[in-house]
Amino acid sequence: GAVVSQHPSWVICKSGTSVKIECRSLDFQATTMFWYRQFPKQSLMLMATSNEGSKATYEQGVEKDKFLINHASLTLSTLTVTSAHPEDSSFYICSAPKGVRTGTRTYEQYFGPGTRLTVT
Amino acid sequence: GQQVMQIPQYQHVQEGEDFTTYCNSSTTLSNIQWYKQRPGGHPVFLIQLVKSGEVKKQKRLTFQFGEAKKNSSLHITATQTTDVGTYFCARGAAGNKLTFGGGTRVLVKP
Repeated sequence: GAVVSQHPSWVICKSGTSVKIECRSLDFQATTMFWYRQFPKQSLMLMATSNEGSKATYEQGVEKDKFLINHASLTLSTLTVTSAHPEDSSFYICSAPKGVRTGTRTYEQYFGPGTRLTVT
Repeated sequence: GQQVMQIPQYQHVQEGEDFTTYCNSSTTLSNIQWYKQRPGGHPVFLIQLVKSGEVKKQKRLTFQFGEAKKNSSLHITATQTTDVGTYFCARGAAGNKLTFGGGTRVLVKP
């Protein structure tokens, strides 16, 4: 299998501060990583695609200036929630595919354990 | 948008019984993946279906892909308490992007 780690696993911050979340692929290289947000008892909503060495691509409705993504190496992507507010409190999960899509096959995603963010 | 709809949203199952969760799309799917998320955990890949009419089994789990590649199902036989969690289907797209269905939350009654 493949292992993806996230740090921190949980964080509590005050409104107006910024929080950085790290996502690492431990035993494989990932040119692409994905960031999701999951509210309680809801599905995973894709926020953005993190591309190594280039700008991230954001899903419609996601503020790129608020959720800064940096994919500086083949094993690390970071998500920074800037000027966090209580409505940003959520479970943030990253994932990485171990491969490149060919034909009709999409490679399975390996998910990190998630980061629970609480903004007070 | 290219969404996938999952039903039911909740499934209460008596231990030992069978159940099925369904995933439907209004457009043709190039592939469909299934994930399981335990309470408090993260999604874990179960399987990917690519071919029309494909059927794959994993012990007590049977996955099907419709002939028209617009729907998929997951059938679990002899449900156990370890089956508790949320099962998501997800459509695959270019660049390995996934669009997740709403999930079926499974609760098992002992």
